Amino acid sequence: DQQVKQNSPSLSVQEGRISILNCDYTNSMFDYFLWYKKYPAEGPTFLISISSIKDKNEDGRFTVFLNKSAKHLSLHIVPSQPGDSAVYFCAANNAGNMLTFGGGTRLMVKP
Amino acid sequence: KAGVTQTPRYLIKTRGQQVTLSCSPISGHRSVSWYQQTPGQGLQFLFEYFSETQRNKGNFPGRFSGRQFSNSRSEMNVSTLELGDSALYLCASSSEPSFSTDTQYFGPGTRLTVL
Repeated sequence: DQQVKQNSPSLSVQEGRISILNCDYTNSMFDYFLWYKKYPAEGPTFLISISSIKDKNEDGRFTVFLNKSAKHLSLHIVPSQPGDSAVYFCAANNAGNMLTFGGGTRLMVKP
Repeated sequence: KAGVTQTPRYLIKTRGQQVTLSCSPISGHRSVSWYQQTPGQGLQFLFEYFSETQRNKGNFPGRFSGRQFSNSRSEMNVSTLELGDSALYLCASSSEPSFSTDTQYFGPGTRLTVL
């Protein structure tokens, strides 16, 4: 049973527009959520995280929103740049450093 | 600060062989976790080590094992390799494993191909 799901395998946006990547989870014990960016044959690069006690966290062009009641989080990238093209994974953690990952969303930002 | 390093980066083995992968965490980080990435199963947690002790283990067979040394470097071993073990093996380190709100930083991975 997938505890973390990214239902959109791919997303295409125009440069300068907003990219919104979504993630749903089922385990209410998750209390920390992270977004990673990944290029082929490389390890995931940490982007931004949010604790379950918050509903929003911003870092430059990246904002993560958490809706605990809906068990849903999203990553907003504004403005999107061609260099943002990559696969984005959301991950959830509870005590024990066992990250549970979603299946990933491939973002393509067109110039 | 140097990042997480993994060696080797690429490895080709045949079925039935065994393999050992190495991971050096970020300086000062004491927790090391291992993940397997395959096209079919995505990124899956293998196990986590802290202070030379395995703290958590994912749902993988006993052929997958690991250890951590006193300098926090970690190795993982896969015995009796199967074709399905072909994957990118990722190591991640974090500084404080007692709290879930600690970010894990990943190495570049070791690409294992089993023929």
